[in-house]
Amino acid sequence: DTGVSQNPRHKITKRGQNVTFRCDPISEHNRLYWYRQTLGQGPEFLTYFQNEAQLEKSRLLSDRFSAERPKGSFSTLEIQRTEQGDSAMYLCASSPRTGFYGYTFGSGTRLTVV
Amino acid sequence: GEDVEQSLFLSVREGDSSVINCTYTDSSSTYLYWYKQEPGAGLQLLTYIFSNMDMKQDQRLTVLLNKKDKHLSLRIADTQTGDSAIYFCAEIPLSGGYNKLIFGAGTRLAVHP
Repeated sequence: DTGVSQNPRHKITKRGQNVTFRCDPISEHNRLYWYRQTLGQGPEFLTYFQNEAQLEKSRLLSDRFSAERPKGSFSTLEIQRTEQGDSAMYLCASSPRTGFYGYTFGSGTRLTVV
Repeated sequence: GEDVEQSLFLSVREGDSSVINCTYTDSSSTYLYWYKQEPGAGLQLLTYIFSNMDMKQDQRLTVLLNKKDKHLSLRIADTQTGDSAIYFCAEIPLSGGYNKLIFGAGTRLAVHP
């Protein structure tokens, strides 16, 4: 297993366009998390999945954001009608059922909205 | 509430020890973590400590936990230029149902010759 994989690494989009990011977690990990990191800040929690079920969403996740994890494997994060404030690094992480031993993070997708 | 605070910047000379400090607010947190982030990269888990421990050592890394003061520190011995990065303290609080990591803003460590 090569760890958590995220695609694309970079995305530049025009304001108002839709974008979709993909995350492939470590195969035996049940839990998958999405975080957002803006410049100079720590990662902020967006949402997490236990297998295919989305169990929690942050207030940061507006109606323009949607995440899915069909079949409990890879996950996608879609942002509709992007705004400049959406520019950030989007990080995906996975963990076994109990995340107490730490999460494994991917390298992230850097989104720039122009 | 959930809040993790760190000093923003630390500069050390190569070969010296670095000490990065963190305070957290949720006394119910049972696990505390240190992550490292290099430029343009994701986060790498360095080490974690259970709240029933006072200290944990792993090669050049030493973690100290003061539960009374809710203070966590990471000491890096014999700091090298490759240690230059941003270091994040994180907790998994009960108030989040033990379901999500809460991060501080990160401490940027600069190592100079």
